[in-house]
Amino acid sequence: EIVMTQSPATLSVSPGERATLSCRASQSVSTNLAWYQQKPGQAPRLLIYGASTRATGIPARFSASGSGTEFTLTISSLQSEDFAFYYCQQYDKWPWTFGQGTKVEIK
Amino acid sequence: EVQLVESGGSLVQPGRSLRLSCSASGFTFGDYPMSWVRQAPGKGLEWVGFIRNKAYGGTTQYVASVKGRFTISRDDSKSIAYLQMNSLKTEDTAVYYCTRGDVLSDYWGQGTLVTVSS
Repeated sequence: EIVMTQSPATLSVSPGERATLSCRASQSVSTNLAWYQQKPGQAPRLLIYGASTRATGIPARFSASGSGTEFTLTISSLQSEDFAFYYCQQYDKWPWTFGQGTKVEIK
Repeated sequence: EVQLVESGGSLVQPGRSLRLSCSASGFTFGDYPMSWVRQAPGKGLEWVGFIRNKAYGGTTQYVASVKGRFTISRDDSKSIAYLQMNSLKTEDTAVYYCTRGDVLSDYWGQGTLVTVSS
């Protein structure tokens, strides 16, 4: 199965600053890559699909890029509601697999 | 408004069975594939499997760790998806989420906790 590796495990950022999260696939997944946000005690929420397309209702401060094996999620100016876990997920080859997550915490 | 509500989670002994239900509303259930995704306590996410809608044959797909033990089904007349879990193991302990979609999950339920322990 395709292994997804996210870095860093924890990212400490001040409100208003920029956050950059990385996701690497063990083999090419083309642009079949999604990002989800999960807050404590809540279900995940789809942010990005197709490596760079924002899902419905997702603010423009969330952007993403990449293809093949290297992907990036950027939050341009962190708001209080953005402190959460973020997971990447590949859907190029079954089984779909998630990265282990990046925790974005308040610095 | 799309809503997915899971039920059926509980404490169960290893080797026993459990069936989870996912009641859907706010969309035409029969037009969409449905998935189950789980999350062990304090851990990441694992896609358990999915069932396509009837237009795509209603076929299913499972992750290797549950194949042969878990079965996903659907009742379009009731807008309910099911996850039948047999021969449960301690490593199946997790919150189980019902989601809409077979490739991407654009809507998620709140999850139901399954604890497998003696």
